[in-house]
Amino acid sequence: DAMVIQNPRYQVTQFGKPVTLSCSQTLNHNVMYWYQQKSSQAPKLLFHYYDKDFNNEADTPDNFQSRRPNTSFCFLDIRSPGLGDAAMYLCATSRGRRGSTDTQYFGPGTRLTVL
Amino acid sequence: AQTVTQSQPEMSVQEAETVTLSCTYDTSESDYYLFWYKQPPSRQMILVIRQEAYKQQNATENRFSVNFQKAAKSFSLKISDSQLGDAAMYFCAYKRDSNYQLIWGAGTKLIIKP
Repeated sequence: DAMVIQNPRYQVTQFGKPVTLSCSQTLNHNVMYWYQQKSSQAPKLLFHYYDKDFNNEADTPDNFQSRRPNTSFCFLDIRSPGLGDAAMYLCATSRGRRGSTDTQYFGPGTRLTVL
Repeated sequence: AQTVTQSQPEMSVQEAETVTLSCTYDTSESDYYLFWYKQPPSRQMILVIRQEAYKQQNATENRFSVNFQKAAKSFSLKISDSQLGDAAMYFCAYKRDSNYQLIWGAGTKLIIKP
């Protein structure tokens, strides 16, 4: 089945130690999104790629970076995690079609703990 | 700017009963799309139902249906015959016709009482 896969499902890191979260998709979608979700809150969009074009949200801290080496994979790098970065990180994909429902499909998320 | 409001932080319903979750949004656009997503505890966010604003007919997916009132900018979700597996956070989301990003409501936590 086509899907969005995130690894690892749980990640523990130390304060200030860089961490990378990965996302892959078999849907061949143009757009890949990274969201941060804190407990019982709505997902907050950090950035997204439309193909190779990177789109950063204005309020995303510089501490967060992303890479998309090919259509299938996208990575979220947190350069110096702080305690406030502990959250669930969701990856999603969509076709990127304007003028249509263009449903987003989500991965299971990576829960990041910062010690 | 578009906003999405879910005024019920938490709702509870008896198993097998019907519950309605409310969602209102603010937009000046005529063409847009609306979604309800479900996120069970520690599980994946999944699409429940979607509605195109140009369609007058309310969307239905099995036990899930919406009441879309375009003039009132209201998009409520009705869950019939509630089941224990319906317990989750439910998020309402809006998408502009000219864009592909979602604007999210704050979510409603649905509790199912056995």
